[in-house]
Parts: sequence; structure tokens; C-alpha cells
Amino acid sequence: EAQVTQNPRYLITVTGKKLTVTCSQNMNHEYMSWYRQDPGLGLRQIYYSMNVEVTDKGDVPEGYKVSRKEKRNFPLILESPSPNQTSLYFCASSFLVGSPLHFGNGTRLTVT
Amino acid sequence: DQQVKQNSPSLSVQEGRISILNCDYTNSMFDYFLWYKKYPAEGPTFLISISSIKDKNEDGRFTVFLNKSAKHLSLHIVPSQPGDSAVYFCAASAPTSGTYKYIFGTGTRLKVLA
Repeated sequence: EAQVTQNPRYLITVTGKKLTVTCSQNMNHEYMSWYRQDPGLGLRQIYYSMNVEVTDKGDVPEGYKVSRKEKRNFPLILESPSPNQTSLYFCASSFLVGSPLHFGNGTRLTVT
Repeated sequence: DQQVKQNSPSLSVQEGRISILNCDYTNSMFDYFLWYKKYPAEGPTFLISISSIKDKNEDGRFTVFLNKSAKHLSLHIVPSQPGDSAVYFCAASAPTSGTYKYIFGTGTRLKVLA
């Protein structure tokens, strides 16, 4: 089944404790991206990647890192999480820009 | 600066009637537009898209209209069904101009009343 898989689905952590949210897609998509969803703000893009080893900032990249060492994986790294990063995070992929994004089921992160 | 705006946070429609969800954008470079539906505890799912060379695209009960001069698009759902109750996001991108971002609106919560 074609899908985007994120893990974990739920995560509660404390300020400053590094964490990684994994994202994997099995559709051989070139483009991958991370979004956060917050009430009243919709989906905002954090980082995106056009291909392996090619990443770029979205609209809200501060406090996040990404890497794209393999085509299928695009982990989101929070080196020192803060409470304002409490949010619902979505990973997405598409064949290329200009084709529909496929989303994972989300990771709800709480930073206390 | 919100480049993609959905000014109605919520909409209620009777089952069987038409649902019209609206979206406005400010960036004239956008040339590819999408609508997504999102249920609670799930990721957004793609519904329908339209490129700027068209002014209408239809897929079953879903039709998207694009008015480039007004920088406005709308999603029509006919007839509306209770299973359509969800949050709907519009999104825009500008792939032909080298902008590799998808910009989303804030969403409209649709409730279809049985």
C-alpha cells in the first residue's frame, strides 16, 4: 500500500531534550516536506526537500533540522525542543512539485 | 503575511444541498491549486486540484473553480453528504516559477447536517 509513515504518533517530552520524528514514504517520491498545524494558523511548512541531499527552509524553520540521506526517509529533528513547538506535525511527499502531496497521519508533540 | 486565505472558519449545510468553500490568494505567481480534506486524527487527503490554465475541474461530486483575475478559487460539493463533514484546506504553489513550497490556508470546518 502506498503510504507516508510517521513515527511516533504521540510524543510528550521536556524542554531541551533532543528528539527525532521519522518519516518514510514507499512511493519513490522526489519531494518531501514537513508541516505543523496549529489552531487558527492552518498548515505551515517547516522544511522541504526536492531530492536526496537537497533541503530548503519553509516558512517556519526555526528550531528544526532535517536531513535527506535516502530518497524514502526525511526525519525531522528538534535539537532543543521548546514549549512553542508543541503542535501537530505532518510529513508529506509528492512525485514532484506540481503534483498532489500525500500526507502521513501526523505526530502530536507536546513539549513541557 | 497570509498568502492563502480561507475567511470562513466554519460552514453548515443540509444534506443533499450544495456546499461552497472559498479560498483567496494574493500571490499572482501561484499556478497550481489543491483542495484537501482532513478528518480528526488523520492526515489531510487530496481531493482535487486545478492548474492556472483551467478555470474549472470536476471529479464526481467535487468541482473546483478558479477565477484568476479575482485570485479566488472555490470548491463545490454537490450533493453534500454527512461523510463530507471535515476540515477543508486549500493550498497553492508556483512550480513553474521555481517556488517549491505549498502554501496552505487556515481551513474551513464543514458540517453536513443529516
